Amino acid sequence: KQEVTQIPAALSVPEGENLVLNCSFTDSAIYNLQWFRQDPGKGLTSLLLIQSSQREQTSGRLNASLDKSSGRSTLYIAASQPGDSATYLCAVGMDSSYKLIFGSGTRLLVRP
Amino acid sequence: KAGVTQTPRYLIKTRGQQVTLSCSPISGHRSVSWYQQTPGQGLQFLFEYFSETQRNKGNFPGRFSGRQFSNSRSEMNVSTLELGDSALYLCASRLSPSTDTQYFGPGTRLTVL
Repeated sequence: KQEVTQIPAALSVPEGENLVLNCSFTDSAIYNLQWFRQDPGKGLTSLLLIQSSQREQTSGRLNASLDKSSGRSTLYIAASQPGDSATYLCAVGMDSSYKLIFGSGTRLLVRP
Repeated sequence: KAGVTQTPRYLIKTRGQQVTLSCSPISGHRSVSWYQQTPGQGLQFLFEYFSETQRNKGNFPGRFSGRQFSNSRSEMNVSTLELGDSALYLCASRLSPSTDTQYFGPGTRLTVL
């Protein structure tokens, strides 16, 4: 049974700092991995999607990497801003169905 | 282009009642998925519908059911509500089962008293 873990559960950093969020999964036979952002009281916003054949994806200040063999993914946020404050969720897809398995999230606070 | 809409946004029910939540996908999207989010269990997959057919189902009791209409709008129903059903219910849509990018709605906050 696939399990997805995100560490740390919460993170507080000063504005401008580069930071890394971690996601680990137990079964390496994944179809894809996605990073989402959730703002309080709102739904999820898809940030980056990495197919199982890919090693990384980039969008603006965000870079996500995937290492299937070690069961790990990282989300790198460059030059953090207060607007980046949110909960970041990692989700693994085991096949083309939409049965995503989510981690519990990292709550990020970027202090001005 | 309008996003995924969910109605109602907030709902309060009592134990034993039943509830129906609605989701309208982005125009042109034919696949709709439902998720439950609770502080204790996090985000869990409920089911996915495509072309009015349930394609996948998560590990939830039969009290949770859903359906999709010909216009791709979807509803989920929870019967005989329990306190533990209090959660944020999220709906997501995508173009088809062969596309990976999905878009989430704002959710329906259900409180069971």
